[in-house]
Amino acid sequence: SQTIHQWPATLVQPVGSPLSLECTVEGTSNPNLYWYRQAAGRGLQLLFYSVGIGQISSEVPQNLSASRPQDRQFILSSKKLLLSDSGFYLCAWSDQVGTEAFFGQGTRLTVV
Amino acid sequence: GNSVTQMEGPVTLSEEAFLTINCTYTATGYPSLFWYVQYPGEGLQLLLKATKADDKGSNKGFEATYRKETTSFHLEKGSVQVSDSAVYFCALSERAGGTSYGKLTFGQGTILTVHP
Repeated sequence: SQTIHQWPATLVQPVGSPLSLECTVEGTSNPNLYWYRQAAGRGLQLLFYSVGIGQISSEVPQNLSASRPQDRQFILSSKKLLLSDSGFYLCAWSDQVGTEAFFGQGTRLTVV
Repeated sequence: GNSVTQMEGPVTLSEEAFLTINCTYTATGYPSLFWYVQYPGEGLQLLLKATKADDKGSNKGFEATYRKETTSFHLEKGSVQVSDSAVYFCALSERAGGTSYGKLTFGQGTILTVHP
């Protein structure tokens, strides 16, 4: 069966520090991969998606970037964190048909 | 563009009460519709889905019917339990093809608290 792993579960980082969140998927090949963010008091917003290695699409302008160095690995990064980057980050995958997404457990990021 | 609007929360109910969470959507195409649930401290789990008009998704006693004429996908449960306390998200995805690839547009979420 397919599983998705996301780490770390919680993270506290100072303003201006770098960020790297990692997500890996097992049990499937060539998945579509997604990063979502849930800011406090708000709904989920799609940040990035990827349909293949090295292929990244950004949905909203922001301080973050994403990379897909391997088929089942998706990384969310920042060179310098802002207070507004705080939130709950969720990684997800779907198959190539893309009619259903499966989510990781999430990373709660607090920028202080 | 696409959008999803959910009823404002939070919703507080007593155990065994009837639950309705309203959801309406706007989409340029013919989307698939979903309800996701987020239990405290966890990620999202798919609760149910419907992919075409008049389809009824159901799971764990929850139901929602895809109403194209009213662009709605309201979530209902006849008798809620304390364990149903969670945040519920309505969402849509466009059909595969072009650049859509199943990207989800979410509503803002509705917090449900069920008391014994």
